[in-house]
Order: sequence, then C-alpha cells, then structure tokens
Amino acid sequence: GENVEQHPSTLSVQEGDSAVIKCTYSDSASNYFPWYKQELGKRPQLIIDIRSNVGEKKDQRIAVTLNKTAKHFSLHITETQPEDSAVYFCAANEGGGADGLTFGKGTHLIIQP
Amino acid sequence: DAGVIQSPRHEVTEMGQEVTLRCKPISGHNSLFWYRQTMMRGLELLIYFNNNVPIDDSGMPEDRFSAKMPNASFSTLKIQPSEPRDSAVYFCASSLARGRPNYGYTFGSGTRLTVV
Repeated sequence: GENVEQHPSTLSVQEGDSAVIKCTYSDSASNYFPWYKQELGKRPQLIIDIRSNVGEKKDQRIAVTLNKTAKHFSLHITETQPEDSAVYFCAANEGGGADGLTFGKGTHLIIQP
Repeated sequence: DAGVIQSPRHEVTEMGQEVTLRCKPISGHNSLFWYRQTMMRGLELLIYFNNNVPIDDSGMPEDRFSAKMPNASFSTLKIQPSEPRDSAVYFCASSLARGRPNYGYTFGSGTRLTVV
C-alpha cells in the first residue's frame, strides 16, 4: 500500500516569513495529493490539492508543487500570519483512484509573533 | 448542506462496553471513510465504502471493530467490546467517487472516544 512521509514534524517561523512542508510517497500510481489543515480540537479541512497532471498550483498565499519523478510534493505558505498556526497533513491516494487517502504524520506549524 | 454529521461528539465508556459511532455523509457523496486519529499513529484509515459497499477494511484493527452502511445517508462504526487502547478521535469523511472533478474529502467533526 501507499506510504507517505512528512517533514518536519514541527516548524516554527517568524510572522511574515515563508513556511515549507515536504512529503514523499511510495506508490507511483498515486495521482491525487491533497493538503489538510487541522486546528486544535477541530476537523481536518482541505486547503489545497494537486493532481498528477499538474506540477504546481497556487491559491493566494498557499502553493503546492509536485515532482512525480522523485515522488515528492511540498506545501508553501508565504507571508505567514498567526492564523496559519495549525497542524498540516499531506496525503496521497491509493493506486490512482480517489479511494483511501493515506496521510502523513502531520507538521505542527507555529507562527512566532 | 450541513456537511458530514457525526454523533456523538464525545463518548466516555467503561472497558468492555459496546460503543456505536454514527455518521451521515454529504448528500450526493458516494464514498464514505472512517478514520481514527491518535497522537502516536496519526490519521489511520479504518474502512471505506463506495456506493454503500465496503471496499477495503484492511485498516480495521481487530474483530472487535465492525462498520455498516445500510443506505447512502448513514453509516455506523461499532466497537464491541471496547478497550482503553481504543481511545481516540474517530472521524468520518465523505467524497465523490473517482473520476469526478472534485473529490476531496470532507471530514465530520469527529467523535472523541474515551474508554476507561
């Protein structure tokens, strides 16, 4: 099955700086890579996703890049703000379908004022 | 749409008791997933259904766990008998099936289960 590794587990950045979270996956047939944000005590919420026919996708301050050859993808947050503090999870689907996302272990992003 | 609805939000039970968690997916979504979240193991997929049919239950930890989806708008996850190590937050999520233009998961608010 799919295996997703996520780094770092904790990331502390100054407000206004950029944050980058990286993930690798094992199943070359995976073709859907979402990112979720989870605030303390709340549900994970989809913030951005990318499909394997696209190398990069951007939505305001958030961008995701995908390198299918190397089997890794990254989340980039620019001009970080206090409300960006949360746990971020990457995920990859199994075997090319939408079923059964495998999640990374999460990155606790801390924005220092 | 009210989103994915889970009940109860919190459940405290004694070891050995039966626990039933409930989920109502978003109307029109035909895939439903049960996940368990703990600090040690993160988000683990337990089982998922496509068009009410269980597709993959390889993540169900033991025979004590069972899940059903009797119709498109309701699913249950049952633990019998419960043990302290089952304590976790259980999330239900739903999505459109593969091939649709947008098939990101939508998670419910979760059920925080504590087994004492």
